[in-house]
Amino acid sequence: SQQGEEDPQALSIQEGENATMNCSYKTSINNLQWYRQNSGRGLVHLILIRSNEREKHSGRLRVTLDTSKKSSSLLITASRAADTASYFCATDAGGNNRLAFGKGNQVVVIP
Amino acid sequence: DAGITQSPRYKITETGRQVTLMCHQTWSHSYMFWYRQDLGHGLRLIYYSAAADITDKGEVPDGYVVSRSKTENFPLTLESATRSQTSVYFCASRDTSGFTDTQYFGPGTRLTVL
Repeated sequence: SQQGEEDPQALSIQEGENATMNCSYKTSINNLQWYRQNSGRGLVHLILIRSNEREKHSGRLRVTLDTSKKSSSLLITASRAADTASYFCATDAGGNNRLAFGKGNQVVVIP
Repeated sequence: DAGITQSPRYKITETGRQVTLMCHQTWSHSYMFWYRQDLGHGLRLIYYSAAADITDKGEVPDGYVVSRSKTENFPLTLESATRSQTSVYFCASRDTSGFTDTQYFGPGTRLTVL
């Protein structure tokens, strides 16, 4: 069953602004991952944060994980038009190497 | 070229016909997955495979059949296509080496069932 649930579902921002997306989940996890999907393409892995980590950075991306609240956030700083995409969180509860994906969060960056 | 490929990229078929979607990966990843993506539902897992000759059902397996005779290939067959199977289908493989622990997705197959 779907675990990740992103909030908000759609976000429209100006280029240069920061974009923040949240994801909540229901069960214990080994790790949580964020993926990006450009229109008409497959998903591309962005960043993974393990259950014993609280924050992780990769370039302009910052991910936080709060296991007590079963939630994660993805921050994209200084957004660019090329960041326009759908962003999915996915949880790995372990055991069978399956990921449970959320429904996605559409981000539009206006030049 | 290394990576994961899907064919065909686009397919139009009629209700009741059998359709096979192909997936090929060059990394020798053990795990492979089939998802369908529909508006409002996100990605839903259809079937997955832990290795050659080992497959298991996901969330929405009804109406689909998979096989995995070779590590690199994981075809998905719709035995008798229905309109509700109109969707975008993604194949993925997973690096379980422990270093990246991520899934790699193919470009997708857009299937329309008339």
